[in-house]
Amino acid sequence: GNSVTQMEGPVTLSEEAFLTINCTYTATGYPSLFWYVQYPGEGLQLLLKATKADDKGSNKGFEATYRKETTSFHLEKGSVQVSDSAVYFCALSVQGGNKLTFGTGTQLKVEL
Amino acid sequence: DTGVSQNPRHKITKRGQNVTFRCDPISEHNRLYWYRQTLGQGPEFLTYFQNEAQLEKSRLLSDRFSAERPKGSFSTLEIQRTEQGDSAMYLCASSATGGITGELFFGEGSRLTVL
Repeated sequence: GNSVTQMEGPVTLSEEAFLTINCTYTATGYPSLFWYVQYPGEGLQLLLKATKADDKGSNKGFEATYRKETTSFHLEKGSVQVSDSAVYFCALSVQGGNKLTFGTGTQLKVEL
Repeated sequence: DTGVSQNPRHKITKRGQNVTFRCDPISEHNRLYWYRQTLGQGPEFLTYFQNEAQLEKSRLLSDRFSAERPKGSFSTLEIQRTEQGDSAMYLCASSATGGITGELFFGEGSRLTVL
């Protein structure tokens, strides 16, 4: 079946540090890949997406590249801010499917 | 605010009682989804509607759970004879036909606590 594995949190960084949150997946077919973010007290929001191999999704300074050879979609940001503190979820959907499969989430805490 | 709206935001009930949650999707979206999220886990798919038709149900959706979307607009999720294991956040999401599958707009969720 389809599954997503994320690095466990919490991840604690100082402001302006470099961020990587690892995500690997197992899927049948050719999935689309997503990162969703959940800020405290808010609903899940789509952060970025990639629909085919070698695509790079980007938004708000975050980037992730769809790596088919390593079945990975790692999230990166060059300089995090306190306002980036949230829980980040990696997810996939399979072509023709109607649902997202999520990872367990990684909590990010950014301190001054 | 024209986002996905869920009510109530928090429901506390005793084991064995019935509860119902409502979801109002973004008005132009014809697809509606229910997910369940427990502490420390990612959301898990429960069911999916396109307009008023329920097209897919997860095995997680036991016979105590029923979801409806009678007019293709708002949806309700009812849990009968609640159990402590039903305690979770119930998330609703919507999307538009023709969008990328998986590009969903989520509500803030309805938290259920079963005592």
